[in-house]
Amino acid sequence: GQQLNQSPQSMFIQEGEDVSMNCTSSSIFNTWLWYKQEPGEGPVLLIALYKAGELTSNGRLTAQFGITRKDSFLNISASIPSDVGIYFCAALYPNTGNQFYFGTGTSLTVIP
Amino acid sequence: KAGVTQTPRYLIKTRGQQVTLSCSPISGHRSVSWYQQTPGQGLQFLFEYFSETQRNKGNFPGRFSGRQFSNSRSEMNVSTLELGDSALYLCASSSGRGPGEKLFFGSGTQLSVL
Repeated sequence: GQQLNQSPQSMFIQEGEDVSMNCTSSSIFNTWLWYKQEPGEGPVLLIALYKAGELTSNGRLTAQFGITRKDSFLNISASIPSDVGIYFCAALYPNTGNQFYFGTGTSLTVIP
Repeated sequence: KAGVTQTPRYLIKTRGQQVTLSCSPISGHRSVSWYQQTPGQGLQFLFEYFSETQRNKGNFPGRFSGRQFSNSRSEMNVSTLELGDSALYLCASSSGRGPGEKLFFGSGTQLSVL
């Protein structure tokens, strides 16, 4: 299957710091989704991106669909303790219907 | 609007048994996808159902099967369970009107195979 390389694997940051994570691939994708997952729960959708170059914000979160369509990044500004969780990217390969491929996740720990 | 509901939340089975998991999508959504999540492999696509038909299938053995009912509720069945089937099974729903739509996940069913 398609491989999404998500980095970093984990982050330990101080409250108030900004966070940046990204997903890259050698393949071209049509859609990028970003999710957050907390222990014992399913992933919660944060941001959806549909066009190359698209930049979308959701509160303190900002994500971009890379111009080459092979990557995407997620930024979190002024982190707070409730940002703790695992963040996943998901991407849709052309002509695969609704079959999304997921990154391996970035575990975020925010130190108060 | 109620979210995606998965039952049961937890299951413990032994090798060789079979299991059925249930998923009720968001009202009005007609597409249901199933994913397996494990620490080693991450989230892996199992299959997608739309209007009672399997529309996409991932690379899982035939022991993994599913179906969708006329009310869009879906079930996933795993037969002859193996230890490696222990995982969090996630169901996601979308409207199904086009590819690449937003997926909304349930809380999952945590399956442990002993």
